[in-house]
Amino acid sequence: EVQLVESGGGLVQPGGSLRLSCAASGFTFSSYAMSWVRQAPGKGLEWVAAISGSGGGTYYADSVKGRFTVSRDSSKNTLWLQMNSLRAEDTAIYYCAKDLTMVRGAQALDYWGEGTLVTVSS
Amino acid sequence: QSALTQPASVSGSPGQSITISCTGTSSDIGGYTYVSWYQQHPGKAPKLMIYDVTKRPSGVSNRFSGSKSGNTASLTISGLQAEDEADYYCCSYAGSSTLVFGGGTKLTVL
Repeated sequence: EVQLVESGGGLVQPGGSLRLSCAASGFTFSSYAMSWVRQAPGKGLEWVAAISGSGGGTYYADSVKGRFTVSRDSSKNTLWLQMNSLRAEDTAIYYCAKDLTMVRGAQALDYWGEGTLVTVSS
Repeated sequence: QSALTQPASVSGSPGQSITISCTGTSSDIGGYTYVSWYQQHPGKAPKLMIYDVTKRPSGVSNRFSGSKSGNTASLTISGLQAEDEADYYCCSYAGSSTLVFGGGTKLTVL
């Protein structure tokens, strides 16, 4: 059974940093691309970042480019999202999601975690 | 990376069929066959319902179907049931290994 469990969310001041983690199990982690998707309170889904199965390719939404970094360690079956220079508008639930593609960096997200809440406020 | 356009809400009675549209551009929906749809119940994580425009993951009811014409994709739910009431999001590959979501549509089963 595929399981994705996010952690690391919390309250952070504007300009601060936070590192989210996603522990994956139940599939061959190194074979699939992974994405982070966020959802601001009461709002829709926003794709944030993706990383290829090998980790050699990383891709970002314009809204986070230069501030967020996605990475993975296949020996630990773990995905991370390093978030720097955080702004109030980054406040959201952050979901980790497995992509069904083994080829591209992103295509469609077939398994999702339950999410972790990040609140950026002073 | 502009969001895809969906109607804010749709409604239907049990047993009826409804269709949710999702409009993009030639840089996303119109340029690729990688449109997906997600169902999200309140307080829950999204669930993949349709991928690659028309394909259903294992376990998803065949009452859900997808299609695409030009820059517009559509999700049709036939034989509406109370448990279909949820938010629905379209998503498209937008090139360079990026994805773009629609704004979401709230489905109400009357």
